[in-house]
Amino acid sequence: AQSVSQHNHHVILSEAASLELGCNYSYGGTVNLFWYVQYPGQHLQLLLKYFSGDPLVKGIKGFEAEFIKSKFSFNLRKPSVQWSDTAEYFCAALTGGFKTIFGAGTRLFVKA
Amino acid sequence: DGGITQSPKYLFRKEGQNVTLSCEQNLNHDAMYWYRQDPGQGLRLIYYSQIVNDFQKGDIAEGYSVSREKKESFPLTVTSAQKNPTAFYLCASSPQDGVGYTFGSGTRLTVV
Repeated sequence: AQSVSQHNHHVILSEAASLELGCNYSYGGTVNLFWYVQYPGQHLQLLLKYFSGDPLVKGIKGFEAEFIKSKFSFNLRKPSVQWSDTAEYFCAALTGGFKTIFGAGTRLFVKA
Repeated sequence: DGGITQSPKYLFRKEGQNVTLSCEQNLNHDAMYWYRQDPGQGLRLIYYSQIVNDFQKGDIAEGYSVSREKKESFPLTVTSAQKNPTAFYLCASSPQDGVGYTFGSGTRLTVV
């Protein structure tokens, strides 16, 4: 069955630390990949997406993600986190049709 | 501004009662979705609809029902058959290709 796995459920970092959140998907065909973010008390919103082309995708607020096809991975990165990055992050995959599959989410807490 | 409106924000229901959650969008999106969000489980798909008067079951459709009589509206009914209905419910919509969701602000349902 198609699935999306996020490696960490909770991550705690200090401000200015580097961030990498892992995401792996299980699907052998063409896939569109997304990272969504949910700030406390706010809507889920799209952070970045990958359809095709350059595997290094840049999103809003200094986030980027790299698609590595051979590893079925789409990890999210940010060189230096801020307190305002405290949120829950969801990796998602659209593998065909209209259904997007979400990972379980990673809660990031950034200490000021 | 275009967007998705979910109402109510909070809903309390007695056991044995059916309850309907509203979802309206003015984005002219063809596809609409209902997800359930539980801590540590991410978003799980309940139902989705690609066009008016058509909808499909998602991964956890048991105990739920939907209708899609208008393009703008996709209400979800949580029936008394749903064993564990207390959860946060998210509605989303997307263009016809299913790429990139816009989410509503959610409805938190509590069964008392």
